[in-house]
Amino acid sequence: GNSVTQMEGPVTLSEEAFLTINCTYTATGYPSLFWYVQYPGEGLQLLLKATKADDKGSNKGFEATYRKETTSFHLEKGSVQVSDSAVYFCALSISNDYKLSFGAGTTVTVRA
Amino acid sequence: DTGVSQDPRHKITKRGQNVTFRCDPISEHNRLYWYRQTLGQGPEFLTYFQNEAQLEKSRLLSDRFSAERPKGSFSTLEIQRTEQGDSAMYLCASSLAGGLRVNEQFFGPGTRLTVL
Repeated sequence: GNSVTQMEGPVTLSEEAFLTINCTYTATGYPSLFWYVQYPGEGLQLLLKATKADDKGSNKGFEATYRKETTSFHLEKGSVQVSDSAVYFCALSISNDYKLSFGAGTTVTVRA
Repeated sequence: DTGVSQDPRHKITKRGQNVTFRCDPISEHNRLYWYRQTLGQGPEFLTYFQNEAQLEKSRLLSDRFSAERPKGSFSTLEIQRTEQGDSAMYLCASSLAGGLRVNEQFFGPGTRLTVL
């Protein structure tokens, strides 16, 4: 089946620190990969995506590269802000139905 | 368009009661998904529709759960004879059925169910 494993949290950082959240996947087929973010009190929002190997998704200073050889899609940001405090979910979908399979989420807290 | 909406946002019920949730997708989206999220976990797929057709149901969706999308627009999720284990956030998402953004799902704010 399809599954996503992501780094356990919580993660606490200082402002301007470098953030990495690891994500690896297993999939039957060729998945698209996503990072969703859930800010406090808000719904899930798509942060970025990549649909084929070596694609890089980017948004709001976050980046993730689709690595087929290591079945990974790690999320990175070079300099985090307090406003990046949220729960981050890695997810995948397969093109026949597009239903999402999520990781357990990683809570990130950025301190001023 | 204001995005995906869900109603109610919160529902508290007693064990054994029936509850129904509603989801209104983004108007031009013909795919609609339901997920369930428990505390500390990522959302888990329950079922999805393309237009009015229910195309897949997860084994998580026991016979106490039923979902409909009668006119291919809004959808309802009903839980009969609720159990305490049904307490969770129920999320709805919608997407296009084709094109470059077919795999981008937009989520509603969720309905938080508490079964006492």
